[in-house]
Amino acid sequence: DIQMTQSPSSLSASVGDRVTISCRASRTISNYLNWYQQRPGKAPNLLIYAASSLQSGVSSRFSGSGSGTDFTLTISSLQPEDLATYYCQQSFSTPVTFGQGTKVEI
Amino acid sequence: EVQLVESGGGLVKPGGSLRVSCAASGFTFSTYDMNWVRQAPGKGLEWVSSISSSGSYIYYADSVKGRFTISRDNAKNSLFLQMNSLRAEDTAVYFCARRRVVGATTFDSWGQGILVTVSS
Repeated sequence: DIQMTQSPSSLSASVGDRVTISCRASRTISNYLNWYQQRPGKAPNLLIYAASSLQSGVSSRFSGSGSGTDFTLTISSLQPEDLATYYCQQSFSTPVTFGQGTKVEI
Repeated sequence: EVQLVESGGGLVKPGGSLRVSCAASGFTFSTYDMNWVRQAPGKGLEWVSSISSSGSYIYYADSVKGRFTISRDNAKNSLFLQMNSLRAEDTAVYFCARRRVVGATTFDSWGQGILVTVSS
């Protein structure tokens, strides 16, 4: 199975800050990488698919980049509603696997 | 509006069985592959099982293979997960999730989740 490792595990930032979350795959996955946001007590919500494509309806404050083994999710200007845990997920091979999550506190 | 609503969770003893369901609406259910993803309390996300749109192709995580069975009823827009020989480590919120119709396995819609607790 492909292991996904996110860093940091948690971070604290202020409203308006630029926030970056990293995700590393244990082997190359091309651009088969998705990002999800999970607000407290809610279901996950797709933000970014195929490493850099913004899901319909998602704020343009969110962007994704990377290819191969190293990927990044960027929040350009942190808002209060961005309080959540963010997960990366590889879709290169079955079983699909998730990172352990990055908790963003404000 | 896409809606996925899980039901059937609850408390079950180790070794017991439980069937959770997911009712879909707002989209053509029969054209989408569907999945179950779980989240143990305070933990991350774990893919459990997937089923193709027709039900012909089914996959399981190693952790549930031989104990869980995924199925669907396209006439009733419903997805199911039959869970047998349950263990304490199966305790989790179970989400049903729709796979994007094109491209690689990407979950573009999720239910609110249903809690399954395995405890004596």
